[in-house]
Amino acid sequence: DAKTTQPPSMDCAEGRAANLPCNHSTISGNEYVYWYRQIHSQGPQYIIHGLKNNETNEMASLIITEDRKSSTLILPHATLRDTAVYYCIVRVAASGSRLTFGEGTQLTVNP
Amino acid sequence: GAVVSQHPSWVICKSGTSVKIECRSLDFQATTMFWYRQFPKQSLMLMATSNEGSKATYEQGVEKDKFLINHASLTLSTLTVTSAHPEDSSFYICSAHGTDGYTFGSGTRLTVV
Repeated sequence: DAKTTQPPSMDCAEGRAANLPCNHSTISGNEYVYWYRQIHSQGPQYIIHGLKNNETNEMASLIITEDRKSSTLILPHATLRDTAVYYCIVRVAASGSRLTFGEGTQLTVNP
Repeated sequence: GAVVSQHPSWVICKSGTSVKIECRSLDFQATTMFWYRQFPKQSLMLMATSNEGSKATYEQGVEKDKFLINHASLTLSTLTVTSAHPEDSSFYICSAHGTDGYTFGSGTRLTVV
């Protein structure tokens, strides 16, 4: 699986958009970009994933650059409950293969 | 959506005893389940991958005789920490892979005293 690089921490004001970047310059053509988050002392929660097109769901939007070497997760209106560690993972969408986590970004949403 | 139930959510045990943690996929069948360990302020570290009906595959550096994994059915995997020591105190998280992708349990906080 391709390596990812994320800033260790970010701050965001409540109600504003949170934009979390991820670099994955060695991504292969068949690798997807996945985002998970982990609220303190809980299991990770799936947020969104994409291959090359931008994706949006009820939780977030995922913007992938045209060369696919980086992506941005956007939480459009961050709330205090969005404070968590956000993990960007790049991997082939093979059934049941290992899912490994990097260090992620600690997002703190401030009132 | 897919739900994974993990029990217990926390446990305190004496050094030298064994502790079993259960991971159940409630509404889907999971041919593959994963076990992670997480120390404070660190990321999740994959310990092992278990496939239903076969032996688990352990990551490098994880003692298979200490962390016994059983995946006897498509909905249940167990992790037994044998002869626990204080350094085994950690947050253990399971994950199950189904048609909706990877779903994680809520984790088990193990404290060995």
